[in-house]
Amino acid sequence: EIVLTQSPDFQSVTPKEKVTITCRASQTIGTSLHWYQQKPGQSPKLLIKYASQSLPGVPSRISGSGSGTDFTLTINSLEVEDAATYYCHQSTGLPLTFGGGTKVEIK
Amino acid sequence: EVHLVESGGVVVRPGGSLRLSCAASGFKFGDYMMQWVRQAPGKGLEWISVISWDGGSTSYADSVKGRFTISRDNTKNFLYLQMKSLRTEDTAFYYCVVSEDGYVFDYWGQGTLVTVSS
Repeated sequence: EIVLTQSPDFQSVTPKEKVTITCRASQTIGTSLHWYQQKPGQSPKLLIKYASQSLPGVPSRISGSGSGTDFTLTINSLEVEDAATYYCHQSTGLPLTFGGGTKVEIK
Repeated sequence: EVHLVESGGVVVRPGGSLRLSCAASGFKFGDYMMQWVRQAPGKGLEWISVISWDGGSTSYADSVKGRFTISRDNTKNFLYLQMKSLRTEDTAFYYCVVSEDGYVFDYWGQGTLVTVSS
């Protein structure tokens, strides 16, 4: 099983600040790494797939990068609506696994 | 627009059984892999099961293998999760997910809550 380790677990950020979330895989996974956003009381939503592919409707301030074992989700100029928990997920093989999540709070 | 609506979540006693349903619309259901993901209240996400477009191939997380069965009805656009021998640790929101691109979780339902408690 591929273990994904996210950091930090929690981040309290002022609007307009930059947020960086990392996800490290226990073995190389190429770019089969995806990011999801879950706002309180809602189901998760796909933000970035295959490490860096943005989805329609996702703000351009949100981007992803990385390959192999180290990946990053970046939110430039954080907005209030970005308050959420962010999860990474690997789809290289079964069982599919998630990182533990990073909760982003607005100061 | 993709629409996934889960139902069937209730309070059930340990050892009990339950079937969850997911009604799909807004896309060609029979063309895509479908999955179940769960989330215990206040906790992270856990992949549970996947079924191929035609139902011919399934896979499960070790935590539910032998107790849960995923199935689908492509004539009715429904996904199912039959759950038996339920344990308190199965308490969670269960999400139905469509995977249009490999194993990516492209679209999620709103979830249904299963509570296993005596």
